[in-house]
Amino acid sequence: DTGVSQNPRHKITKRGQNVTFRCDPISEHNRLYWYRQTLGQGPEFLTYFQNEAQLEKSRLLSDRFSAERPKGSFSTLEIQRTEQGDSAMYLCASSSTGGQTDTQYFGPGTRLTVL
Amino acid sequence: DAKTTQPTSMDCAEGRAANLPCNHSTISGNEYVYWYRQIHSQGPQYIIHGLKNNETNEMASLIITEDRKSSTLILPHATLRDTAVYYCIVRVSGTNAGKSTFGDGTTLTVKP
Repeated sequence: DTGVSQNPRHKITKRGQNVTFRCDPISEHNRLYWYRQTLGQGPEFLTYFQNEAQLEKSRLLSDRFSAERPKGSFSTLEIQRTEQGDSAMYLCASSSTGGQTDTQYFGPGTRLTVL
Repeated sequence: DAKTTQPTSMDCAEGRAANLPCNHSTISGNEYVYWYRQIHSQGPQYIIHGLKNNETNEMASLIITEDRKSSTLILPHATLRDTAVYYCIVRVSGTNAGKSTFGDGTTLTVKP
C-alpha cells in the first residue's frame, strides 16, 4: 500500500505525559498536513509543511504542540504535557503541487486518549 | 477558503442513487469543490473534485451549477458500505493552496 501511513494507530497516555506521532506521506508528495478531529466534528487544520518548511500554523496549535518535517519526508507531531482536552483523532494528509491540483490524501489517523 | 453548507443527515435505499447537496455561495473563481467521505474511525477518503465542469469517476459524479454556488455529489447505486459522513469543501488548489476547511458534513445512511 503506497498511501499515507500513521503510527501509532492508537495511543493511551496519562495526563502530563508527552506523546509523539509519526506520519509518512505518499512518496514524492511535497506537502504534508496535520489535522485534529474530535467526536462528531469535521477535521480541524493544525499545520502544514511544504518540503521541510512549515508554512502555516493554526491558532489551535498551542505552544505544547510542535511539528517537524526535518528532511521533507516523514513528519512528527509532538504534544507535551498532555491534557484531557487533547484526546482526539490526529490526521495526517499529503499532497503534491506538481500537477494541476494538489488533492490531499489522508492517512488512517492516530487516536489519542488522555486519561 | 469559502464555507460550505450541507444537510446534517440523509437516508438512501440500497441500490438507489444518493444525491448529496452542498451550498458554497461565496466560492471564489479559483476555488475547487472537493468531496471526501469518512467511515467511522477511519481517515477521510478522497472521492472527487471539480472546478466548474461536471466530473465523473469510478466512485461518483459531481454536478456543479453554472453559477458554481452549489454542487451535488451523486452515488449512482448506493450500497450499505457507502454509509459514511460526506464532506464537501472548497479550496484553492495548486501552488497557492493550503489547508482544507471542513464543516460537520452529511451523515448518509444507506438502508437495506
